[in-house]
Amino acid sequence: EVKLVESGGGLIQPGGSLRLSCAASGFSFSSHTMSWVRQAPGKGLEWVSGISGSGGTTYYTDSVKGRFSISRDNSKNTLSLHMNSLRAEDTAVYYCAKDYYESSAFYEYFDSWGQGTLVIVSS
Amino acid sequence: EVVLTQSPATLSLSPGERATLSCRASESVNVHLAWYQQKPGRAPRLLIYDASNRATGIQARFSGSGSGTDFTLTISTLEPEDFAVYYCQQRSYWPLTFGGGTKVEIK
Repeated sequence: EVKLVESGGGLIQPGGSLRLSCAASGFSFSSHTMSWVRQAPGKGLEWVSGISGSGGTTYYTDSVKGRFSISRDNSKNTLSLHMNSLRAEDTAVYYCAKDYYESSAFYEYFDSWGQGTLVIVSS
Repeated sequence: EVVLTQSPATLSLSPGERATLSCRASESVNVHLAWYQQKPGRAPRLLIYDASNRATGIQARFSGSGSGTDFTLTISTLEPEDFAVYYCQQRSYWPLTFGGGTKVEIK
């Protein structure tokens, strides 16, 4: 059974830093592109960042480029998101999500999600 | 980035009715579009991938169609558990993007 468990959320002041983690189990972690997707309270889904299975390629949405950094440790089956210079608009539930594998192909859609970790940026 | 516009924002229907949801892309995404269902307090669930393929375990009443810039999710006969918010997402270009969502509510 695929399991994704996020941690590290909390209340942080504007301009502060936070590190989110996602512990993965139940699948071949290093084979899958992983992403962070966030959802502000009462709002829609926003893809934030993604990282290839090897960790060699990373992707970001424009609003977090230069502030957030995604990484992974395939030896520990762990995904991380380092968030710096946090703003009020970064307040959201952050989900760790795994790409979809079907019929020997990988797709950049998300078939497994964690329960989410809430980040609140406020003074 | 590719902007996905979903319509309508809210769809008010009764159980047993047919639901038709739309997603329009700001540029062609070929067939590289998925649909998700999200219920309150829950993570999204993948329903349809690459425009028309049902994900593993998804019921046959969910179907998708379209290509290029215009896509449709159809729920043939609404069950009580289908009342939720639905999102589309494209994978043609980075950054990946989601639509703003359509809420299917009980009339």
